[in-house]
Amino acid sequence: QVQLQESGPGLVKPSQTLSLICTVSGGSISSGGYYWSWIRQHPGKGLEWIAYIYYSGSIYYNPSLKSRVTISLDTSKNQFSLRLSSVTAADTAVYYCARCRGGSGDWYIDLWGRGTLVTVSS
Amino acid sequence: QSALTQPASVSGSPGQSITISCTGTSSDVGSYNLVSWYQQHPGTAPKLMIYEVNKRPSGVSDRFSGSKSGNTASLTISGLQAEDEADYYCCSYAGSSTLVFGGGTTLTVL
Repeated sequence: QVQLQESGPGLVKPSQTLSLICTVSGGSISSGGYYWSWIRQHPGKGLEWIAYIYYSGSIYYNPSLKSRVTISLDTSKNQFSLRLSSVTAADTAVYYCARCRGGSGDWYIDLWGRGTLVTVSS
Repeated sequence: QSALTQPASVSGSPGQSITISCTGTSSDVGSYNLVSWYQQHPGTAPKLMIYEVNKRPSGVSDRFSGSKSGNTASLTISGLQAEDEADYYCCSYAGSSTLVFGGGTTLTVL
């Protein structure tokens, strides 16, 4: 079955750029009907949708993070990635990659990665 | 885009039923039948429990059910079991291909 796995540095310095990769296994990232997503969860807090990307290249960002976020797709590697610039301690969170069914009258996240904790600290 | 409003905590005894509310606005919950619910046990990723207001994915117990009225969606868990103790999050489509989550509710099984 399809699985998602996040990878990237667990520690990022303030003002630098956070970069994460999600590797999709067991299925193609080019499958229609799915938006490949990033979601984060601050320690002890709720979930926050960051962005998603469709295999065709359509991209959607959370308006509150849009100015600092870049999401991209590498179909040759079956991966998608997240870059968050100018990070502060407030960006410390567990970052999940996820698969969102959408675009055909449905919008829900049906598959999650295990999550990776990213700490912003000097 | 503001977070959906959920109670911080709810509790119930084994065998009882509980309901968790999720209040949004006419721009999200009220406009679309696209509310989903997720269960999260400590240290694990969220799990889809309900989608499109009241549909259950394969493998999810029929003790879980969802509904919606106006700008408020609800998750009901009947026949409460110890394993249901977890955090629960609602999520709604909010237009323009965006999603918004609720703040989460901690369910305690007494």
